[in-house]
Formats: sequence, C-alpha cells, structure tokens
Amino acid sequence: EDQVTQSPEALRLQEGESSSLNCSYTVSGLRGLFWYRQDPGKGPEFLFTLYSAGEEKEKERLKATLTKKESFLHITAPKPEDSATYLCAVQRMDSSYKLIFGSGTRLLVRP
Amino acid sequence: EPEVTQTPSHQVTQMGQEVILRCVPISNHLYFYWYRQILGQKVEFLVSFYNNEISEKSEIFDDQFSVERPDGSNFTLKIRSTKLEDSAMYFCASSVSSRREQFFGPGTRLTVL
Repeated sequence: EDQVTQSPEALRLQEGESSSLNCSYTVSGLRGLFWYRQDPGKGPEFLFTLYSAGEEKEKERLKATLTKKESFLHITAPKPEDSATYLCAVQRMDSSYKLIFGSGTRLLVRP
Repeated sequence: EPEVTQTPSHQVTQMGQEVILRCVPISNHLYFYWYRQILGQKVEFLVSFYNNEISEKSEIFDDQFSVERPDGSNFTLKIRSTKLEDSAMYFCASSVSSRREQFFGPGTRLTVL
C-alpha cells in the first residue's frame, strides 16, 4: 500500500536555527515527489518537484533532496515568515495522476 | 502570475441539500483535480479530469459526487445530497501535464449542518 510519512509532526525553531524535515515514502514506482507549503485556511502552495534519487532543488532558504526511500526539506537560517505546514506528496509511475499526501510538518519559527 | 481561483470561499448548507463548488483552473492547463481536507487531516484525492472525462476517482467519490467542465474556463464539483461528513475544505488543482506539479486554489470551506 502506498504510504507517505512525514516527521516530525511539529517543529519549533528559533529564527536562524537551521533544520531538516523528513518525508519517507513507500510507493510502487515513483514518478515524482512534490513539496508544498500550506498556510492555515489556505491551499497548498507548490515549492519543488523531484523526479529521481540524487536530485536537489533550491529556493531561497529551502533545499529539497531525494533518495530512493525519502526526501528532506532543509531550511537554512529560517525566518518567522517560514512558519507554515510543509506537505510532501508522491505521484506513482503508473497511469494514476493523483497526489498522495503525507500529514505534514507544522513549522513554527520564533523571532 | 496565473493562479487557480475558487468560489465561494465558504459555503454553509443543510444536510441533504445540493452544493456546487466552482473553480477556474490556470488557462493553459489541461488536467484538473479535486481534493478535500477534513480539519486536521491529510489532503485526500477525489477525482482527476482530462479531455472532458474523469480519468481517475477515489473511493470517496461516490454517486453523490459529479464533476463538469461546462465551458472553456470553469470546472465544477457537485455534491447532490450533502452529509455531515462532507464538511471539509475542498481544493481544486490544475496541471499543464499529468507528470508536472499541480497548482492548488485557495479552497472552499464547506460546512454541512
């Protein structure tokens, strides 16, 4: 059965304190892994797509990496405005188009 | 920057009533989706739509649900007879191809009383 597990469930950081969020997945053939940011009461906002092991993507203070079993979202020197829930989703290699989401990591960055 | 829009932002309805949730996908996108998120839970896939037909649906998407692209810009989700457990945020999404990232709208909060 396809499964996406994110850890930790919640993370509190001081401004400037770097850390990593984990997304481990079990899927029958990975087409792509997607990271989204979700603010309370809003829709998921696309951040990155990763397609193959070893791939890395960067945007401002965020960097996403992918292995054959997991992905990491590294946050370098976070700011309070980075506070949000970060969602990981996978898409299978078969004819399915759907995204399978994890439960997310709630990040709070304190000034 | 192009974005997915959804209306209304909040819909309150009585159990058993029909509701229609509306979405305008990004204009050059060809694949359309509905997801829902019950408060405090994961985002769940409902249905995908391509070339004017449903390409995939989940077990949640039963006979009470239907989707339609009535014209070249709108994409709708209809729930025929709402239940209490249909209360959730409903997100529309679109993508330029089946392999590319899906862009989500701001959501419609559906409350069934």
